[in-house]
Amino acid sequence: EVQLLESGGGLVQPGGSLRLSCAASGFTFSSSAMSWVRQAPGKGLEWVSAIGGSGSSTYYADSVKGRFTISRDNSKNTLYLQMNSLRAEDTAVYYCARPTVTTSADYFHHWGQGTLVTVSS
Amino acid sequence: DIQMTQSPSSLSASVGDRVTITCRASQSISSYLNWYQQKPGKAPKLLIFASSSLQSGVPSRFSGSGSGTDFTLTISSLQPEDFATYYCQQSYSTPSTFGQGTKLEIK
Repeated sequence: EVQLLESGGGLVQPGGSLRLSCAASGFTFSSSAMSWVRQAPGKGLEWVSAIGGSGSSTYYADSVKGRFTISRDNSKNTLYLQMNSLRAEDTAVYYCARPTVTTSADYFHHWGQGTLVTVSS
Repeated sequence: DIQMTQSPSSLSASVGDRVTITCRASQSISSYLNWYQQKPGKAPKLLIFASSSLQSGVPSRFSGSGSGTDFTLTISSLQPEDFATYYCQQSYSTPSTFGQGTKLEIK
């Protein structure tokens, strides 16, 4: 059974930093791209970042480019999101998601339970 | 970036009703369109992928159709557990983008 367990959320002041983790199990982690998706309180879903299985390819939403860094440790089956220069608008539940990619489809089949990040003074 | 527009934003319906939610992409996305259901406090759940493929374990009352720019999610006979928020997502190009959501409420 695929499991994704996020941690590291909490309250941080504007301009501060936080690192989220996502512990993965139940699949070959090193072979799977991974993503972060966030949801501000009462709002919709926003894709944040993605990383290839080896970690060499990374992608970011414009809203976080230059401030957030996605990475992974395949020896620990863990995905990370380093968040710097945090702003109030970064307040959201952050989900770790595993995409399933085929020749004709690309979708998030597995999601973690989410971790709440609150940016406030 | 590809913009995804869902309609309606909210919808009131009764158990047993047939409901259709639409999603329009700002440019062609072929069939790279997915639908998710989300209940309060929970992670999204995949319902439909590649426009019309039903995810394993999802009831057959859910169906999806469309290609190019216009897509629909249909629930043939609403059940009490279907009252939730629904999101479409395009995975044709990076960044992947979601619709703003459709909140389905009990009439």
